[in-house]
Amino acid sequence: QQQVKQSPQSLIVQKGGISIINCAYENTAFDYFPWYQQFPGKGPALLIAIRPDVSEKKEGRFTISFNKSAKQFSLHIMDSQPGDSATYFCAAKGITGTASKLTFGTGTRLQVTL
Amino acid sequence: DTAVSQTPKYLVTQMGNDKSIKCEQNLGHDTMYWYKQDSKKFLKIMFSYNNKELIINETVPNRFSPKSPDKAHLNLHINSLELGDSAVYFCASSQGGGPDTQYFGPGTRLTVL
Repeated sequence: QQQVKQSPQSLIVQKGGISIINCAYENTAFDYFPWYQQFPGKGPALLIAIRPDVSEKKEGRFTISFNKSAKQFSLHIMDSQPGDSATYFCAAKGITGTASKLTFGTGTRLQVTL
Repeated sequence: DTAVSQTPKYLVTQMGNDKSIKCEQNLGHDTMYWYKQDSKKFLKIMFSYNNKELIINETVPNRFSPKSPDKAHLNLHINSLELGDSAVYFCASSQGGGPDTQYFGPGTRLTVL
């Protein structure tokens, strides 16, 4: 059972454009939603995270939008740069039971072209 | 200083062999994890230890056995390796609790021939 669904699988954006990656979750016990960035040959690293008490969080060019009623959240990368080319994973976690482990989406491979 | 380190980075071995991957974290975290990333980049948790105690054990063949000699180390031993075990294995650590930011190691690429 895929508890966190992520789309698209891959994305090509021109330099300066906006990259948008979407995730949807099923388990209402999730209360922490991080995004991880993974460069080739490296481990994933936390990029930005949000709790469900806010609808948006912005850090530099990266913004998470969160819709609790729809159980959806998305990552927006403004002014995308070639250095942003990586695989992005959304994830979700709660405190108890099956939600207590970090559950990852399937990943989106982003390529930013010149 | 490397926060989460793994050795070896690459491991090539024959089917049926037994191999180990070592992981160490110097972040002072209480919780450590093993993840498997397959060829499609899907990340799946395998095990989690908190203060040397196993707290998460996903549906993983019992050929995989984690061992935590202390809270800074979590090793993964794999018996009777199979072709399907080929993947990248990541160790991670976190302080635990709510937000629980996980810090990943560089990964070990295991190739079973």
